[in-house]
Amino acid sequence: GNSVTQMEGPVTLSEEAFLTINCTYTATGYPSLFWYVQYPGEGLQLLLKATKADDKGSNKGFEATYRKETTSFHLEKGSVQVSDSAVYFCALSKGNFNKFYFGSGTKLNVKP
Amino acid sequence: EAQVTQNPRYLITVTGKKLTVTCSQNMNHEYMSWYRQDPGLGLRQIYYSMNVEVTDKGDVPEGYKVSRKEKRNFPLILESPSPNQTSLYFCASRGPLRQARETQYFGPGTRLLVL
Repeated sequence: GNSVTQMEGPVTLSEEAFLTINCTYTATGYPSLFWYVQYPGEGLQLLLKATKADDKGSNKGFEATYRKETTSFHLEKGSVQVSDSAVYFCALSKGNFNKFYFGSGTKLNVKP
Repeated sequence: EAQVTQNPRYLITVTGKKLTVTCSQNMNHEYMSWYRQDPGLGLRQIYYSMNVEVTDKGDVPEGYKVSRKEKRNFPLILESPSPNQTSLYFCASRGPLRQARETQYFGPGTRLLVL
């Protein structure tokens, strides 16, 4: 079946620290991979995506590379800000993008 | 402004009392979907709809119904709610496959408590 596994949170970092949130997936075929971000009290927003192996998605200083050999899509940012505090979800979808599979979410707290 | 709206935002009800959570989008999207979010489980898809009168089950459809009579609306119906349906619910929509097909737009969420 299809599933996404994320590292447990919360992750607490100081401002300007380096961020990595691990995400691995299980899927048949060739899924597309996504990172969504959820700010407090809001719905999810697409942060970045990658649709094929070795693609790198990037947005707002965040990056993630689709690694088929390790079935991973780890989220990274070189220097986090307090405003990055949120819950981050890794997700996958395949084919016609009707069904989506989300990880359990990782809460990030960034302290000044 | 392009948006997905949900109503109500908060709801407390009792076991067995039928309820409907509405979802509406103003982007003329064909695809809409419902999710529930639970601690430690992330988001799980309940139902989705590819177009008017076309719906299909997600991973956790038990205890829920949906209908898609108009393109802009996709209500979620709980005919006999139970406490295990206490959750945070999100509606989402996305554009046609030929245009940014992967990007879903989420509503603000509906927090439901079933006593």
